Amino acid sequence: NAGVMQNPRHLVRRRGQEARLRCSPMKGHSHVYWYRQLPEEGLKFMVYLQKENIIDESGMPKERFSAEFPKEGPSILRIQQVVRGDSAAYFCASSPVGVGELFFGEGSRLTVL
Amino acid sequence: GQQLNQSPQSMFIQEGEDVSMNCTSSSIFNTWLWYKQDPGEGPVLLIALYKAGELTSNGRLTAQFGITRKDSFLNISASIPSDVGIYFCAGQLSDSWGKFQFGAGTQVVVTP
Repeated sequence: NAGVMQNPRHLVRRRGQEARLRCSPMKGHSHVYWYRQLPEEGLKFMVYLQKENIIDESGMPKERFSAEFPKEGPSILRIQQVVRGDSAAYFCASSPVGVGELFFGEGSRLTVL
Repeated sequence: GQQLNQSPQSMFIQEGEDVSMNCTSSSIFNTWLWYKQDPGEGPVLLIALYKAGELTSNGRLTAQFGITRKDSFLNISASIPSDVGIYFCAGQLSDSWGKFQFGAGTQVVVTP
């Protein structure tokens, strides 16, 4: 999948724990996006980030969810106090500057017990 | 709210047949992307469309950006077993860079 690296691929958490999902974009890409996919559904936009900036977080739940893309290191999607409804596949995508093509990683599959 | 309708939901075809699927919306888009997703994997970009009326091919795949900018279709010609998977369209609204709406997917099953 064109070099977008996500980890972990699978994550199991109990209700109330925290989940941290990491994403390293393709080399040369400075735009990162997070999408969520429920079983047998399409992907839903969560957040769009550039280095040290949140550009659009209109798809992110107002509580418990946060995302960052620091100057150094991967982008992080953080889910605090997870609930069963957070169980889903979380996909990260990246794009180069000015190009509207998203390249997705393999996804991180979160299961909340 | 905005909705992107993808059809058909699933297709069962014989090897060698052509496949057509489409996405429609009441909204106007400035970019259409088509993806294929295999189970347990991430979506893989097949074709990107940027202009109304644009027709683009990638091997046996052909996609078009509708002239009204509200729809797009994908054709797969002479299907083969490895075409099996779920195909998604994704449209980007003019004022929402990076924020794509995805269709619910078309599951393609190819039988020998």
